[in-house]
Amino acid sequence: SQQGEEDPQALSIQEGENATMNCSYKTSINNLQWYRQNSGRGLVHLILIRSNEREKHSGRLRVTLDTSKKSSSLLITASRAADTASYFCATDNSNYQLIWGAGTKLIIKP
Amino acid sequence: EAGVAQSPRYKIIEKRQSVAFWCNPISGHATLYWYQQILGQGPKLLIQFQNNGVVDDSQLPKDRFSAERLKGVDSTLKIQPAKLEDSAVYLCASSSGTSGRGRAQYFGPGTRLTVL
Repeated sequence: SQQGEEDPQALSIQEGENATMNCSYKTSINNLQWYRQNSGRGLVHLILIRSNEREKHSGRLRVTLDTSKKSSSLLITASRAADTASYFCATDNSNYQLIWGAGTKLIIKP
Repeated sequence: EAGVAQSPRYKIIEKRQSVAFWCNPISGHATLYWYQQILGQGPKLLIQFQNNGVVDDSQLPKDRFSAERLKGVDSTLKIQPAKLEDSAVYLCASSSGTSGRGRAQYFGPGTRLTVL
């Protein structure tokens, strides 16, 4: 069953702009992870945020988590062509297995 | 550090044939996962191993799919017989720690299976 749902399904922006993707989930979690998938590098882990954390940064990436709203957002600042990819959020179930959303397809236009 | 290795990268078979995929995880990673990813969807967990034991295989169609991880290192996923709906990318991932709890997963390049 699908736990996380990303929004929007697709996003197209100009290079240099910021991109924001959202993830909503249904049941309580221990942690939430964001991954990126493109044809060149496959599926790559970006950030893990634990349920007791509210915000994490990694380079140009910023992730927020609001457990009261069961939602998370991924912000990519100063986007680059290489950021073109699908972005997935994955939340863990009670057995710590990851349940994945369908992803947001991000296109960065030059 | 070498990443997760998978082979073959591509496979085309006729329905009712059998196929096998191989995965070698990152050295020292005790937890290994097999996922199925259908085009336009997120990965779906098929089976999770902790060393050479199965942690979860609740979503593995056991009438046609089987997986093993002998010696707790590399793993093989087999489909026999294949159906048209098995066309997908099969991803192998590994993580460190006990049962991969709260850990990042590292993915291989995947095997793209086409069943005709």
